[in-house]
Amino acid sequence: DGGITQSPKYLFRKEGQNVTLSCEQNLNHDAMYWYRQDPGQGLRLIYYSQIVNDFQKGDIAEGYSVSREKKESFPLTVTSAQKNPTAFYLCASSNKLAGGTDTQYFGPGTRLTVL
Amino acid sequence: ILNVEQSPQSLHVQEGDSTNFTCSFPSSNFYALHWYRWETAKSPEALFVMTLNGDEKKKGRISATLNTKEGYSYLYIKGSQPEDSATYLCACYTGGFKTIFGAGTRLFVKA
Repeated sequence: DGGITQSPKYLFRKEGQNVTLSCEQNLNHDAMYWYRQDPGQGLRLIYYSQIVNDFQKGDIAEGYSVSREKKESFPLTVTSAQKNPTAFYLCASSNKLAGGTDTQYFGPGTRLTVL
Repeated sequence: ILNVEQSPQSLHVQEGDSTNFTCSFPSSNFYALHWYRWETAKSPEALFVMTLNGDEKKKGRISATLNTKEGYSYLYIKGSQPEDSATYLCACYTGGFKTIFGAGTRLFVKA
């Protein structure tokens, strides 16, 4: 089955620790995205990648880092510099089409809680 | 900062009721409007993408319209069923890699 997977589903972290969220897709999509969701707010873009070895900051990139060494994988690291990391994180991928008509395919999400 | 607003925030209806909700977006820098359906404990799934003023899309009992001049889209559900219970997200593509999501309308359909 083609799709996008995220792990773990739930993650607990102590303050001051870095943690990495996994995102893998087998849809052969070039573009991948990381979003953060907080209660009552829309999804906010953290980072996106158009192609392997390239990525760009989104609206709320401070305290996060990513890598894109393989087309299938786009891991997100939440660093200790992120002041309020407790949130729900969604990864997505798409075949980037002109005019923004491409559908994004989402993973099931990771809920991160900082203790 | 460009915002996408959805209303109402939540909606409770009875099985068989028809319902609709609104997505408002900035009419400048508009390229495309997406609707996604997000069931609890699942991933968001695409419903529609619309680009032209006056576009209408339909999938079964769900349909959507687009007004790019005034910056709004309506999503309609005819004869709501309990399985329609979900959060409905709209997202506006404004260029580059900028897709702005609304906070969603959470629909509860009671049997």
